[in-house]
Amino acid sequence: QLVLTQSPSASASLGASVRLTCSLTSEHSSFAIAWHQQRPGKGPRYLMKVDSDGSHIKGDGIPDRFSGSRSGAERYLTISSLQSDDEADYYCQTWGIGMNVFGGGTKLTVL
Amino acid sequence: EVQLLESGGGLVRPGGSLRLSCAASGFTFTNYAMSWVRQAPGKGLEWVSTINGGGEDTYYADSVKGRLTISRDNSKKTLYLQLNRMRAGDTAIYYCARRYCTSSSCSRDVDHWGQGTLVTVSS
Repeated sequence: QLVLTQSPSASASLGASVRLTCSLTSEHSSFAIAWHQQRPGKGPRYLMKVDSDGSHIKGDGIPDRFSGSRSGAERYLTISSLQSDDEADYYCQTWGIGMNVFGGGTKLTVL
Repeated sequence: EVQLLESGGGLVRPGGSLRLSCAASGFTFTNYAMSWVRQAPGKGLEWVSTINGGGEDTYYADSVKGRLTISRDNSKKTLYLQLNRMRAGDTAIYYCARRYCTSSSCSRDVDHWGQGTLVTVSS
């Protein structure tokens, strides 16, 4: 069964970098995933797609501070030069056999 | 500019029905599988249903199978979700979202979201 696992929370200081992780079940390690940002009180926003080769394609208007990568069955979202409005929930997502799957989300706090 | 605009949310009594709509613009609607995703208060994102570009294939989460029906009218570039026998657990913001498809396959990533419509089930 396809499952995406995320840590519930993360924190980092203003101006620092943070890396969020999304873990795929091992038999699905070749799957591409997407990262989505949801700021408080807002709808989700597409950030980027991270492919199984680690390449990433960002959505329109997504700053260079956001990047994606992978290692095995893990997909990463790295945010550098953290700003206060990066404080949000971050969800990974992919499509399996006949179903859309979301990770539980990571709540990022910018200190 | 790509836009997905949901409407039709509101307050409904348990056991009641509602139809949500999502009007699409700014892209070739038939090139995209369309989904409904909901978010209960204080909770994460939950996939509800997906329909392919032609409208022939539909997929549902087990939690809504038999009560919710997804459909689309490609001539109107509009996606629908019919919610029947509604219960308190259906209370959520409902978002529509798209996923790009070619003639042979679809990408795995949702690449655009609507702003959502709130559905509240309460007596």
